[in-house]
Amino acid sequence: SQTIHQWPATLVQPVGSPLSLECTVEGTSNPNLYWYRQAAGRGLQLLFYSVGIGQISSEVPQNLSASRPQDRQFILSSKKLLLSDSGFYLCAWNRDSKETQYFGPGTRLLVL
Amino acid sequence: SQQGEEDPQALSIQEGENATMNCSYKTSINNLQWYRQNSGRGLVHLILIRSNEREKHSGRLRVTLDTSKKSSSLLITASRAADTASYFCAIAGGTSYGKLTFGQGTILTVHP
Repeated sequence: SQTIHQWPATLVQPVGSPLSLECTVEGTSNPNLYWYRQAAGRGLQLLFYSVGIGQISSEVPQNLSASRPQDRQFILSSKKLLLSDSGFYLCAWNRDSKETQYFGPGTRLLVL
Repeated sequence: SQQGEEDPQALSIQEGENATMNCSYKTSINNLQWYRQNSGRGLVHLILIRSNEREKHSGRLRVTLDTSKKSSSLLITASRAADTASYFCAIAGGTSYGKLTFGQGTILTVHP
């Protein structure tokens, strides 16, 4: 069966520090991968998606970047965090872009 | 925008009552999906209904889709305290790449 992992679960970082959040998927190959951000009490905002290794599409201009160095690994990064980067970050995958997405447990990021 | 919009934003009911949540959208769709999110957790897929379907059931869940009105509803029958969560609809567009677009969600509270 397929599983998706995210880490860390919680992260507190100072403004201006770098960021690296990792997401890995097991039990499938060539998945579509997604990074979302969720503000408190709000819906999901799609940040990046990837259909293959090295292929990244950005949905919104921002302080973040994404990379996909391996088929089942998706990384969200920042060189210098802003206060506004605080939020709940969710990784998800699916086989077909229009079909069910499977979400990881999320990373709660607090930038102080 | 094809973003789904849920209604109501919040719903509070007693155990045993039925809960109905609605989702409206503006463009053509390939399918519409409903997800559940417990506080601080990732989203869990509940039901996917395709544009040529009108109704689907899964246990105590019933989803309807009216493409002429561009709306869908999620009914939870005989609710339980454990159903307390946020519920999101997500739209898979009919003509776009097909990435899911999530609404802002309905917060359901079921009182024991």
